[in-house]
Amino acid sequence: NAGVTQTPKFQVLKTGQSMTLQCAQDMNHNSMYWYRQDPGMGLRLIYYSASEGTTDKGEVPNGYNVSRLNKREFSLRLESAAPSQTSVYFCASSENEYGYTFGSGTRLTVV
Amino acid sequence: GQQVMQIPQYQHVQEGEDFTTYCNSSTTLSNIQWYKQRPGGHPVFLIQLVKSGEVKKQKRLTFQFGEAKKNSSLHITATQTTDVGTYFCAGSSGGSYIPTFGRGTSLIVHP
Repeated sequence: NAGVTQTPKFQVLKTGQSMTLQCAQDMNHNSMYWYRQDPGMGLRLIYYSASEGTTDKGEVPNGYNVSRLNKREFSLRLESAAPSQTSVYFCASSENEYGYTFGSGTRLTVV
Repeated sequence: GQQVMQIPQYQHVQEGEDFTTYCNSSTTLSNIQWYKQRPGGHPVFLIQLVKSGEVKKQKRLTFQFGEAKKNSSLHITATQTTDVGTYFCAGSSGGSYIPTFGRGTSLIVHP
């Protein structure tokens, strides 16, 4: 029972490079989310998908794009990475308003 | 927009002492969730409170939801070193099931 799986776990990018963070859940949840966590800032919502085929902006969407590939998978893309995007990224899923299940995170450094 | 304030930001205790973190919202909440994040780990869902004045217990942890549904608290009795981590509250309101996370309280337990 894997829950929410994120890849990669660590990544170093140069400014201007692009990358996609992958997330998959096996709990048949409708909703999926991408958060970033910075020291002292808590968890800030980047994008979310309430159901397959829909995506919406969260609190801090600039510089990111997402794709809800199917019910299981929700990816986050950085088209042109900037140092301000250095952070820990968490994917999560939930069944509507119930508690979230988080993945183990991706630690991204942009140099 | 909705704001969820959490205090204190840090709390140092001696093992065996009690600990409380408080969460306050600028708006009436439909529900509040609590999460624990161990150092280097990911947030783990602890509990959800929905009813005004609700109190729930999990072993040494007591969760309360205020009568006005604008505040909540988490109390840990007789802390142990395994309680170390950051505790987040997350509240939903305004018909949206997407919660806003507080910035968390980091608990440090000294043996």
